[in-house]
Parts: sequence; C-alpha cells; structure tokens
Amino acid sequence: DAGVIQSPRHEVTEMGQEVTLRCKPISGHDYLFWYRQTMMRGLELLIYFNNNVPIDDSGMPEDRFSAKMPNASFSTLKIQPSEPRDSAVYFCASSLLMNTEAFFGQGTRLTVV
Amino acid sequence: DQQVKQNSPSLSVQEGRISILNCDYTNSMFDYFLWYKKYPAEGPTFLISISSIKDKNEDGRFTVFLNKSAKHLSLHIVPSQPGDSAVYFCAAGSGTYKYIFGTGTRLKVLA
Repeated sequence: DAGVIQSPRHEVTEMGQEVTLRCKPISGHDYLFWYRQTMMRGLELLIYFNNNVPIDDSGMPEDRFSAKMPNASFSTLKIQPSEPRDSAVYFCASSLLMNTEAFFGQGTRLTVV
Repeated sequence: DQQVKQNSPSLSVQEGRISILNCDYTNSMFDYFLWYKKYPAEGPTFLISISSIKDKNEDGRFTVFLNKSAKHLSLHIVPSQPGDSAVYFCAAGSGTYKYIFGTGTRLKVLA
C-alpha cells in the first residue's frame, strides 16, 4: 500500500475562496482523522470517521469547515469561505482501530492570502 | 484546556548522549500513549507506544516510560544520533476516546 495520500501538497488561495483538501486512507483502515498543525496548538484533531461515518467533529473550528467521507477510500475537508487564519498544515491519517497507531499523509500546506 | 502537554518546545543534545523528552497529561481515562516523530515537510510517523498496564516499553534505542500516578511519560533516546533531529509529538487516548496530541518538542542532535 502506498500509505495515506493527500492532495494537493500545497495550496495558495485568496481569502473568501473555497478550498477542498483530499485524502485517500490506507485500504482496510476503519478510522480516518483530519488534523491541523499550527505552531501554537500543535496537532489539533478536527474530525474523525469510523467506517465512513463522522464520529466526533467537535474540533472543527467553525461552520466554515466541513468534512465528508463518501466511501472507504476517499475523504474531503472543505473550507468555505477561507480566511488567512486558516493557514496551516492539514494532515489526514488513518488507523485500523481506535487505539492503534495512526498513519499520516504528507500533509497539505494551506496558505490563505 | 490542554489535556496533553509538552512543556519543552525545544531540546539540544550532543551526539551519543541521552535525549529525554517529556509529556504530561491530565485525563485519567487515557490508557494508551504514543510517540510520533516528524521531519520537515513530512507527516508524523509512529515511533513507539505504551499501554497503561505497563510502565516501560523498549524498542532499540527508544524507550518510553509511563508514570501513571504522576500522569507523566517520557521518551528516552540512547544514544542520540543526528538523524534523530526532528519534532517529537506525544499523544494520549483510549479505546473509546480520541487521541489528543501535545504541541511537540523539537529535538536537535549536535554532531
């Protein structure tokens, strides 16, 4: 397996635009996580899915953020409208079980200008 | 409310010496702990874990110690190598509770 695949690697967008980040988890993993990394807060969990169902979205900062997992091999994180303070690195990760190690993608560096 | 804290943002160690990275947590429900290593422009990669039924887990040069009464864990790297220079994150969770990550400690191993 190629691991967790995220796209794009880098995204630069203007404030107010819609941004969509994509993730392909490792095949067979039942859990998918979206994290945001910032200097101040480290790795923050935004939302996670179990078997494609969102379980906990309490980390999603605002209604401007939404995530979907239409099938076991694909998930999106959408920000609409984007703001400069959303600039960060966003990671997707997947794991077999809740209490096992998660495998991370390489991340998407988002810059909102 | 930071449930997992890494109070040292950075640490420098001479090559060959021991590196000790610390992590504190507040939630007594946590029963599984992990350490991840992150290089620039890459995602974090799993390093080592420990469950609350143990107080030590060793894997080569890496050892994690857990002190449940103090709600404290530490990662020891012996001997430290320049390739160990990275950001290290600790994470805590349980079978039914999502993982919470600390803010990370940047380790620099000096040759």
